[in-house]
Amino acid sequence: GQQVMQIPQYQHVQEGEDFTTYCNSSTTLSNIQWYKQRPGGHPVFLIQLVKSGEVKKQKRLTFQFGEAKKNSSLHITATQTTDVGTYFCAGTTDKLIFGTGTRLQVFP
Amino acid sequence: DGGITQSPKYLFRKEGQNVTLSCEQNLNHDAMYWYRQDPGQGLRLIYYSQIVNDFQKGDIAEGYSVSREKKESFPLTVTSAQKNPTAFYLCASSRQVESYGYTFGSGTRLTVV
Repeated sequence: GQQVMQIPQYQHVQEGEDFTTYCNSSTTLSNIQWYKQRPGGHPVFLIQLVKSGEVKKQKRLTFQFGEAKKNSSLHITATQTTDVGTYFCAGTTDKLIFGTGTRLQVFP
Repeated sequence: DGGITQSPKYLFRKEGQNVTLSCEQNLNHDAMYWYRQDPGQGLRLIYYSQIVNDFQKGDIAEGYSVSREKKESFPLTVTSAQKNPTAFYLCASSRQVESYGYTFGSGTRLTVV
């Protein structure tokens, strides 16, 4: 079946270091969404990418959609303790499929 | 403010009992969804609905039932047939199915005792 995998599963960084999570789909996606879930909270929508090769930025966050529309990445520059949480990608084929998530821990 | 309200926040159920989780939205969204999240895991789709009086099974619908009698409401019943119901249940809505970002409720933590 359709799968969306994310790596790494966990990432621990020192505050100020950069962080990247990668999302890979077994099938071509019509779009990709990214969500953030704080510990004990619920997922919050961050952004949607639609076009092949698209790059979008939100302050320290950079989102990229691969040329083949089968992969995506989220890069955080100079992490802060407020970035702690689990980041999920979610890709659309005939339905929205959530990735496995990357849990980010930031040490001050 | 518009949003999604899930209740209760915590729920304890005895084995063999059915229990209903509430989900209400005032965002005027057409589509609504129920997801299950287990510790350290991603989100798995239980049921979704695109319009009133219509809903579709997701990937793990067995042991669950839903109704969509009103646009604003999409309650989920966890039946006694669900073999491992202890989990975090999240309700979400969107303007259209598989499009636009989803808005999630704050979730219900169900524990079977």
